[in-house]
Amino acid sequence: AQTVTQSQPEMSVQEAETVTLSCTYDTSESDYYLFWYKQPPSRQMILVIRQEAYKQQNATENRFSVNFQKAAKSFSLKISDSQLGDAAMYFCAYRRNNAGNMLTFGGGTRLMVKP
Amino acid sequence: ETGVTQSPTHLIKTRGQQVTLRCSSQSGHNTVSWYQQALGQGPQFIFQYYREEENGRGNFPPRFSGLQFPNYSSELNVNALELDDSALYLCASSAPDQPQHFGDGTRLSIL
Repeated sequence: AQTVTQSQPEMSVQEAETVTLSCTYDTSESDYYLFWYKQPPSRQMILVIRQEAYKQQNATENRFSVNFQKAAKSFSLKISDSQLGDAAMYFCAYRRNNAGNMLTFGGGTRLMVKP
Repeated sequence: ETGVTQSPTHLIKTRGQQVTLRCSSQSGHNTVSWYQQALGQGPQFIFQYYREEENGRGNFPPRFSGLQFPNYSSELNVNALELDDSALYLCASSAPDQPQHFGDGTRLSIL
């Protein structure tokens, strides 16, 4: 069974600074997807970024980028120029290819942004 | 706005009762998934439906069941409620091979 681990229950960053959230996963599959979701207090899970395992290039979305290390099964999220609106729970998630929408989530990291 | 709507927003039940949660998928989405998110934890996959058929299930007992309707809206039914069923229940829908969009969830409290 796949597992996703987020070892940082809480992280704090100063506004305009950069922060990195860690995620490791365990799988025997070679073809899969990895995701970072943001969940603000409004509860809605919002997709931040997605990485296909077959792509060596790290995904980027504006201020958000990932460091995908397939051999190490590591998938960290870097947030640059942090903004107050980035404060939320962040969840790392895994999905095997051809598994529909079946996501396996990590336990989450609470990100606090200090003004 | 994602277009995935869930109802009700919040629900209180007692042990042993039955509950039905509803989800209206975003237009064009034929796959719907349900997740249970206990307080302080990540969501756990319950099951998913594709074209009205269940085609994937997580580690949840049979008292968790679902339906998907021709208009792709969906229901999650839970029988014989237990205290541990208290959680946020999230619905997510997607078009084929596209990322899924989540609703705001239903907060279920069991007394």
